[in-house]
Amino acid sequence: GAVVSQHPSRVICKSGTSVKIECRSLDFQATTMFWYRQFPKKSLMLMATSNEGSKATYEQGVEKDKFLINHASLTLSTLTVTSAHPEDSSFYICSARDSAGGYPYEQYFGPGTRLTVT
Amino acid sequence: GENVEQHPSTLSVQEGDSAVIKCTYSDSASNYFPWYKQELGKRPQLIIDIRSNVGEKKDQRIAVTLNKTAKHFSLHITETQPEDSAVYFCAARLTGGGNKLTFGTGTQLKVEL
Repeated sequence: GAVVSQHPSRVICKSGTSVKIECRSLDFQATTMFWYRQFPKKSLMLMATSNEGSKATYEQGVEKDKFLINHASLTLSTLTVTSAHPEDSSFYICSARDSAGGYPYEQYFGPGTRLTVT
Repeated sequence: GENVEQHPSTLSVQEGDSAVIKCTYSDSASNYFPWYKQELGKRPQLIIDIRSNVGEKKDQRIAVTLNKTAKHFSLHITETQPEDSAVYFCAARLTGGGNKLTFGTGTQLKVEL
């Protein structure tokens, strides 16, 4: 149980285009999902907290107009990187928290999406 | 906000030896401390966690200790095996912080034969 998927696993796009990444909780409902960015050999940096049915909460320094987050259902959150540039190339990982109870704090991570902007 | 420091950044041990990774946190209101193992290009996997009302927790070869007074917690791996080689991250959750986790900088553990 507690599986989180991400799609796509890898994507290459041209500079100036937009890319959408999906994060799904497969066997549980998640009112809250989190989006992280990870550079090679670096830690996970929280970008934003995605809240079902409401606006995302962005961390300081993260441009909300560049990284659009939509959490329209209890099992799906999307991150859209708009007008991508090479410096946006990174590993993007989402996580989700089970809303139904159980261990209240654990976050389940998706497999990540490797974005390369050329 | 919370700040988590992690040491060492790299750790090399011989198979069968023990490995210890240490983290400190800044906000005494943090109440949950998970440890994740991440293999190259893969998702972080929770290996053990501890809440602030507990001082120690053990799961087979893995243990975590928490010193709330000093605001530090440690991961202990005994009888290390080559498959333990990975990057390990500690994290802290701030009470009232919306379940956000602040991660440490990671430790690259290499278990040598």
